[in-house]
Amino acid sequence: DVVMTQTPPSLSVAIGQSVSISCKSSQSLVYSDGKTYLHWLLQSPGRSPKRLIYQVSNLGSGVPDRFSGTGSQKDFTLKISRVEAEDLGVYYCAQTTHFPFTFGSGTKLEIK
Amino acid sequence: QVQLKESGPGLVQPSQTLSLTCTVSGLSLTSNSVSWIRQPPGKGLEWMGVIWSNGGTDYNSAIKSRLSISRDTSKSQVFLKMNSLQTEDTAMYFCARGWYFDFWGPGTMVTVSS
Repeated sequence: DVVMTQTPPSLSVAIGQSVSISCKSSQSLVYSDGKTYLHWLLQSPGRSPKRLIYQVSNLGSGVPDRFSGTGSQKDFTLKISRVEAEDLGVYYCAQTTHFPFTFGSGTKLEIK
Repeated sequence: QVQLKESGPGLVQPSQTLSLTCTVSGLSLTSNSVSWIRQPPGKGLEWMGVIWSNGGTDYNSAIKSRLSISRDTSKSQVFLKMNSLQTEDTAMYFCARGWYFDFWGPGTMVTVSS
């Protein structure tokens, strides 16, 4: 199985600051069609996950452009610019290139 | 407006079979796939399996021997059945659209206990 390693496990940030979360995979996430199926999700407290970014860098519908994703092959980053209070929760990366689909262990974002 | 909603028994006895239903609206199961994902209390997400738009399925090999996913397209419902439940199967169970995970249901909590 593809292991997704997320760092850091937790972050504490003040409103208005920027943060980055890293996700590294144990195998390349480039599929045979040339696309990279790496996605980012946010699970707010008590809620089901919400997709933020798909295929590395594409913003999901209705997601603020404060969120951005970069990376390739096995190394990916989610950046949140100008953190807002509503951004608190657990962020997960997920790969759907290889079976079984797998998730990172999560990064918990707290607001100072 | 795409919506998914899980339903199930809430409490299951050890060694019994779990049956869950995901009812979808705003999309057709003949042109969309649906994944099942679970989350034990306080832990991360585990993908369980997917049923594709053509009715084919793929499962997580870790639970493949216990898991079955099926559907009724006329009722817009996807079903999960998992046998030989143990306490470690206690989790929130989610269904989500496809493999892009762009729409999720609110989840249904399943507790395995006697």
